[in-house]
Amino acid sequence: DGGITQSPKYLFRKEGQNVTLSCEQNLNHDAMYWYRQDPGQGLRLIYYSQIVNDFQKGDIAEGYSVSREKKESFPLTVTSAQKNPTAFYLCASSPRGAGGRDEQFFGPGTRLTVL
Amino acid sequence: KQEVTQIPAALSVPEGENLVLNCSFTDSAIYNLQWFRQDPGKGLTSLLLIQSSQREQTSGRLNASLDKSSGRSTLYIAASQPGDSATYLCAVRDGANSKLTFGKGITLSVRP
Repeated sequence: DGGITQSPKYLFRKEGQNVTLSCEQNLNHDAMYWYRQDPGQGLRLIYYSQIVNDFQKGDIAEGYSVSREKKESFPLTVTSAQKNPTAFYLCASSPRGAGGRDEQFFGPGTRLTVL
Repeated sequence: KQEVTQIPAALSVPEGENLVLNCSFTDSAIYNLQWFRQDPGKGLTSLLLIQSSQREQTSGRLNASLDKSSGRSTLYIAASQPGDSATYLCAVRDGANSKLTFGKGITLSVRP
């Protein structure tokens, strides 16, 4: 089945620790995205990548880092510099340059809680 | 800066009712618009994508329309069912390589 997988589903972290959230897609999409969702707020873009070995900061990149070494994978690291990391994290992917047909598809999400 | 608004934030209707969910955006020069559904604690499911050159898209009981000149889109749900209860989000893309800007969503409850 084609789709986007995120792991783990739930993640608990102590203050001061870095954690890495996994995102894998087998849709052969060029572009991948990381969003953060907080109660009462819309989705906010953290980082995005339109091609392997390239990525750009989104609206709230501070305290986060990413890599894009493979087309299928776009892991997100939440560092200790992120002041308020407790949130629901969503990964998405889309085809690039598809003439308006660049529909975004989302993974099931990872809920991160800082203890 | 593009802003997307969805009002009201919550809506409760009886089963069987036809309903319209509204989405407005401030910059009418959009590339495409996408409607999503989100169940509690889950990821987003894409419902419909409307390209800037299109006026509407249909999928089953769902119909989405786009009026760029007025900065509005509507999602029409026919014969609503309790299983339609979820949060519905719209998002617009301003250019081919630009990001999606999301509204905060409308939480729909369909009462049996």
